[in-house]
Amino acid sequence: QQPVQSPQAVILREGEDAVINCSSSKALYSVHWYRQKHGEAPVFLMILLKGGEQKGHEKISASFNEKKQQSSLYLTASQLSYSGTYFCGTSPKASSYKLIFGSGTRLLVRP
Amino acid sequence: DVKVTQSSRYLVKRTGEKVFLECVQDMDHENMFWYRQDPGLGLRLIYFSYDVKMKEKGDIPEGYSVSREKKERFSLILESASTNQTSMYLCASSPLYTNQGYSSGANVLTFGAGSRLTVL
Repeated sequence: QQPVQSPQAVILREGEDAVINCSSSKALYSVHWYRQKHGEAPVFLMILLKGGEQKGHEKISASFNEKKQQSSLYLTASQLSYSGTYFCGTSPKASSYKLIFGSGTRLLVRP
Repeated sequence: DVKVTQSSRYLVKRTGEKVFLECVQDMDHENMFWYRQDPGLGLRLIYFSYDVKMKEKGDIPEGYSVSREKKERFSLILESASTNQTSMYLCASSPLYTNQGYSSGANVLTFGAGSRLTVL
């Protein structure tokens, strides 16, 4: 079952912050975050493993609450280059090869 | 850099035609995947392979088959294309283990640029 992402779309002005959420109905081992710019391949941003750790990538960070089976992606002081579609991918167990992706969140950062 | 190359960026086919989508990766990854991307539905897994000649169904395998005869190459086959298979197809690969020794559930996917298929 696909994880649920919210919001579906968000428009920001440069410098504003945003939060993208990813919720699963199943227990999770890992949550991956990817960004896809228009016409390009999705690119890996970061991975969070069971244990509730928080990670960062430039001004983008994420958290993982395994009890709530959800992850949040935080975009701080957004830049024009942050525009794109963000996908979370979830894996239910350590031995699972496959990721199940959410439907994506479209982010547009305007000057 | 890891490269996942999809042979065709754009294809237009007719209903009933047999379609081959090819994917090649150059990083000796064990795992390879085919996803389908549709607006509002995100990325849905069609098939994946964790070794040569090994394959497992994903969430939407109906109407598709796959072939993995060599480690670096993973093909998606539409035996008889239909209009509802018009979509963007993404190939991805990942290693069996990460450098940190994490297990499969932590493996990072590297995607190809996609093949946009239109079935008329």
